[in-house]
Amino acid sequence: AQSVAQPEDQVNVAEGNPLTVKCTYSVSGNPYLFWYVQYPNRGLQFLLKYITGDNLVKGSYGFEAEFNKSQTSFHLKKPSALVSDSALYFCAVRDPGGFQKLVFGTGTRLLVSP
Amino acid sequence: DSGVTQTPKHLITATGQRVTLRCSPRSGDLSVYWYQQSLDQGLQFLIQYYNGEERAKGNILERFSAQQFPDLHSELNLSSLELGDSALYFCASSVVARGSYNEQFFGPGTRLTVL
Repeated sequence: AQSVAQPEDQVNVAEGNPLTVKCTYSVSGNPYLFWYVQYPNRGLQFLLKYITGDNLVKGSYGFEAEFNKSQTSFHLKKPSALVSDSALYFCAVRDPGGFQKLVFGTGTRLLVSP
Repeated sequence: DSGVTQTPKHLITATGQRVTLRCSPRSGDLSVYWYQQSLDQGLQFLIQYYNGEERAKGNILERFSAQQFPDLHSELNLSSLELGDSALYFCASSVVARGSYNEQFFGPGTRLTVL
């Protein structure tokens, strides 16, 4: 079965510093990976996805993610964090058996301090 | 704004009752997904419909059911409600065909509180 793991419940970073939110995956076959962000009292917003091609994927709001097949990781990164980036971040993998059902990680809360 | 709408935003009801949550997908999206987000279970896939037909089932209880109508809106019906059903229920939609990799767009959710 497909799964993703987000090993950190919370990540704290100071504004202006680089941030990394970690995700590792376990899939049979090719991995199709996604990052979503959830702001308080809002739905999930799509940030970026990896399907194939370049290992560095660029997404919305200055975020990017690095796909590493040997480490089965798909970490979310941003060179310079903003206070407004504080939110809950979810990594997800597409289930290949159905019509794009997503399996989500447990989420990582990012807190950016001024 | 994702273009996916959900009503109502909040729902407070009692144990044993039945409620209906409604979702309208983005214009042109044929596939609708329902997810449940709770503190103890995280974000869990419930069920998926594609152009009116059920396509995939996840951890959906027998007390729950869903359907997608000809105009592509979807309803999630929750019956014999229990305290543990209190959660945020999300609907998502995507343009999908087998073999494609489109992202899903999520609605703002319906927060269900069972007292």
